[in-house]
Amino acid sequence: AQTVTQSQPEMSVQEAETVTLSCTYDTSENNYYLFWYKQPPSRQMILVIRQEAYKQQNATENRFSVNFQKAAKSFSLKISDSQLGDTAMYFCAYRSGNTPLVFGKGTRLSVIA
Amino acid sequence: SAVISQKPSRDICQRGTSLTIQCQVDSQVTMMFWYRQQPGQSLTLIATANQGSEATYESGFVIDKFPISRPNLTFSTLTVSNMSPEDSSIYLCSVSRTAVNTEAFFGQGTRLTVV
Repeated sequence: AQTVTQSQPEMSVQEAETVTLSCTYDTSENNYYLFWYKQPPSRQMILVIRQEAYKQQNATENRFSVNFQKAAKSFSLKISDSQLGDTAMYFCAYRSGNTPLVFGKGTRLSVIA
Repeated sequence: SAVISQKPSRDICQRGTSLTIQCQVDSQVTMMFWYRQQPGQSLTLIATANQGSEATYESGFVIDKFPISRPNLTFSTLTVSNMSPEDSSIYLCSVSRTAVNTEAFFGQGTRLTVV
């Protein structure tokens, strides 16, 4: 079975600084998608960024970028110029085929003014 | 993306009663899922809601406790039956437009407290 591991339960970063959240996964599939979701205190799950496993180029979305290392099964999220509104739980997720998303345990990120 | 309306947003219920949570999507979707999230924890999949057939439940979840309906491609309900305080949690509806390899979108969740 596929598993997703987030080894950092909590992290903090100063406003305007850069922070990287780690994620590793285990799979025997070759074709899959990886995602980072953000869950602020409002509970709404918001898609931050997605990466197709067949693409070598790392995905970017404004201040958010990923470092996708397929051989190492690593998928980290970098947040640049951190803002107070980035404070949230961040979940790494995996999907292959028609299976539901598999989530990591999450990383609680606090942005400090 | 998909606009998902989940109701109620929160409820406080007496033990032994049942609560039905509704999930309405603004357009047809292929896949619908129900998750449970304990406070401060990750999401645990309860079941996949199948249109026109019985839901597919994950290990540890049974139909008698969590009956699910999906009468069409835009609507699903999850019922939490014979509630106990251990059922206090956030319940989330999630949808995907196609069956393969696309992101999932989420409702705003239902915060359930059982007293």
